Amino acid sequence: QVQLQESGPGLVKPSQTLSLTCTVSGGSISSGGYYWSWIRQHPGKGLEWIGYIYYSGSTYYNPSLKSRVTISVDTSKNQFSLKLSSVTAADTAVYYCAREVRRSSSWPFDYWGQGTLVTVSS
Amino acid sequence: SSELTQDPAVSVALGQTVRITCQGDSLRSYYASWYQQKPGQAPVLVIYGKNNRPSGIPDRFSGSSSGNTASLTITGAQAEDEADYYCNSRDSSGNTVVFGGGTKLTVL
Repeated sequence: QVQLQESGPGLVKPSQTLSLTCTVSGGSISSGGYYWSWIRQHPGKGLEWIGYIYYSGSTYYNPSLKSRVTISVDTSKNQFSLKLSSVTAADTAVYYCAREVRRSSSWPFDYWGQGTLVTVSS
Repeated sequence: SSELTQDPAVSVALGQTVRITCQGDSLRSYYASWYQQKPGQAPVLVIYGKNNRPSGIPDRFSGSSSGNTASLTITGAQAEDEADYYCNSRDSSGNTVVFGGGTKLTVL
């Protein structure tokens, strides 16, 4: 059973960089065929895709966040990470990591982390 | 367009059938995936592809698609189905991910 677990600071100061790591267990990031995403959810709001990385290191980001986002992968640790720079209170959200797969002409997220709340405040 | 549109809220009487819809240009290229999210929990995949349910999802959940519209149908809604439901897909280019705004389902 694949499991994903987010980790990182729950409180970040404005203008600083938010850094989160997702540790994958029960499966290898290097096995290919999966896209590893970060998704966030503002309090009481819907889901917002941030970006994904493939095990090879190729990435795609949400155009609205692209200038501030970096997603990287460490296959040796079976982890991938998110960095979001110059944060403001508007970046306060629950951050999820999730696995996406192409399946039956669709792109489902079949496994999700439990989510971690990151608050941006001084 | 890279957006997916959902009705903000839908209600259904206990035991009745409800359909939740999702519209967007990308759905002409890919089937939608559907997620159920209960308060304080991570989303759970309930439908993907033409009409596929992951293991453990009750068969009262089904999916369908026509043109640019995808639908999630719950046949015989139960109290535990009260939740937020989100659709998602890749955009038409296949490169980026899009989510619908979510539908809050109330079971009366």
